[in-house]
Amino acid sequence: DVKVTQSSRYLVKRTGEKVFLECVQDMDHENMFWYRQDPGLGLRLIYFSYDVKMKEKGDIPEGYSVSREKKERFSLILESASTNQTSMYLCASSFRGRASYNEQFFGPGTRLTVL
Amino acid sequence: DQQVKQNSPSLSVQEGRISILNCDYTNSMFDYFLWYKKYPAEGPTFLISISSIKDKNEDGRFTVFLNKSAKHLSLHIVPSQPGDSAVYFCAASAYNFNKFYFGSGTKLNVKP
Repeated sequence: DVKVTQSSRYLVKRTGEKVFLECVQDMDHENMFWYRQDPGLGLRLIYFSYDVKMKEKGDIPEGYSVSREKKERFSLILESASTNQTSMYLCASSFRGRASYNEQFFGPGTRLTVL
Repeated sequence: DQQVKQNSPSLSVQEGRISILNCDYTNSMFDYFLWYKKYPAEGPTFLISISSIKDKNEDGRFTVFLNKSAKHLSLHIVPSQPGDSAVYFCAASAYNFNKFYFGSGTKLNVKP
């Protein structure tokens, strides 16, 4: 059974804190993604990675950075959390190749609240 | 500017009837489309896809229709079951984009 896991289901942080969201997949996928989901806006891509140490900006990368030191792990970093980063964060992965055509497998999400 | 739009935030249907979820897109370069289903407290799961070379794809109770000239796709669920109650996202992509664009989702409620 394929699995994408995220380190926390719920997280509460204070403004200005550095926040790490971790994602691990056990499917040996090359592509990994971070999205945020907000009401009325759907899923918006923050960053994605198509290989270890490789990353590409998505549609809303401002205020975020990522790290991919191992194939199975993709981390999202909020350098200085702000209240407008309160959201549901979803990690996904897919097989090698163009991310356009490969089904993505999602983790359960992390509900982040920044106070 | 959202390139994929789901204009109905919610839909309520009686069990056994047909559910029709709609999705519109603006970019004519999109050539691959998917539907995902999301239950509360879970990540989205893949439901069905369609390539632009087709206008229909069927998988059991789920059928996706693509109207390229109208830049419109729809998901039909027949017959609807209470377990289908979830949020449905449509997504679109093209080779050059190397990513998916998601709609805002439609929450389907199937009443017993």
